[in-house]
Amino acid sequence: LAKTTQPISMDSYEGQEVNITCSHNNIATNDYITWYQQFPSQGPRFIIQGYKTKVTNEVASLFIPADRKSSTLSLPRVSLSDTAVYYCLVGGGYSSASKIIFGSGTRLSIRP
Amino acid sequence: DTAVSQTPKYLVTQMGNDKSIKCEQNLGHDTMYWYKQDSKKFLKIMFSYNNKELIINETVPNRFSPKSPDKAHLNLHINSLELGDSAVYFCASSQEQSGREQETQYFGPGTRLLVL
Repeated sequence: LAKTTQPISMDSYEGQEVNITCSHNNIATNDYITWYQQFPSQGPRFIIQGYKTKVTNEVASLFIPADRKSSTLSLPRVSLSDTAVYYCLVGGGYSSASKIIFGSGTRLSIRP
Repeated sequence: DTAVSQTPKYLVTQMGNDKSIKCEQNLGHDTMYWYKQDSKKFLKIMFSYNNKELIINETVPNRFSPKSPDKAHLNLHINSLELGDSAVYFCASSQEQSGREQETQYFGPGTRLLVL
C-alpha cells in the first residue's frame, strides 16, 4: 500500500509561497499523486493531480521528482483563505483497485 | 444545484439507537463512497459502490450497512450506535476514468454525528 507521510502542520504569512511535501516511498508504477484541500466544516476538494515532473493549474503547482518517492504541493502567494487542511493521496484509478488512503493531512495556517 | 448532498447535516442521538444518513449526487457519476473523519481529521474510507455494486468494504463493524437504491444514491444505515461512532461522515462520488489516473472525488458537506 502506498502510504503517505506529511507534516502535521505548517504556518506561513499572506503573500508568501508555501510548499508542502508528501513522502510516498512505496508508490507503485501506476499510482498518481493527488492533493485535496479541506476547509473547516466542509468536505475535501480536489486541487491538483500529477504523475511525474511538474503540473500547474490556476490554484497550485505540483512538483514530482524522477523517483516519485515524494511530491511537493506549491501554493503561490497564499492568502488567509488558504488556511485549510491539505491531504496528499497516492493511488490509481478505481479500476486499478488501489486502496484509497487519505491520511491525516497537513494543517496550514496563514497569518496576516 | 448541489453536486453531492447529504442529510442530515447534524445528528445527535443516544447510544443503542439506529440511524440513517442519506447521500445523493447529481453528477451522473458511477462510483460513490462513504468516509469517516475522526476528531484528529484522519479521513478513512468505509465503503465504495460502483453502479450499485459494493466494491470496497473496509474493516467496518457490520453495524454499518450501506444501501444503494440507484446509481445516484448511497445511504448509510448504522445499527446500535456506540460512542465511538461519533465523527463526521462524508459521502463522495467519482466518475470512472478510461485511463489510469485517479478519479477526482467530489465530497458532500458531511454529516456530524454525535452519540451520547
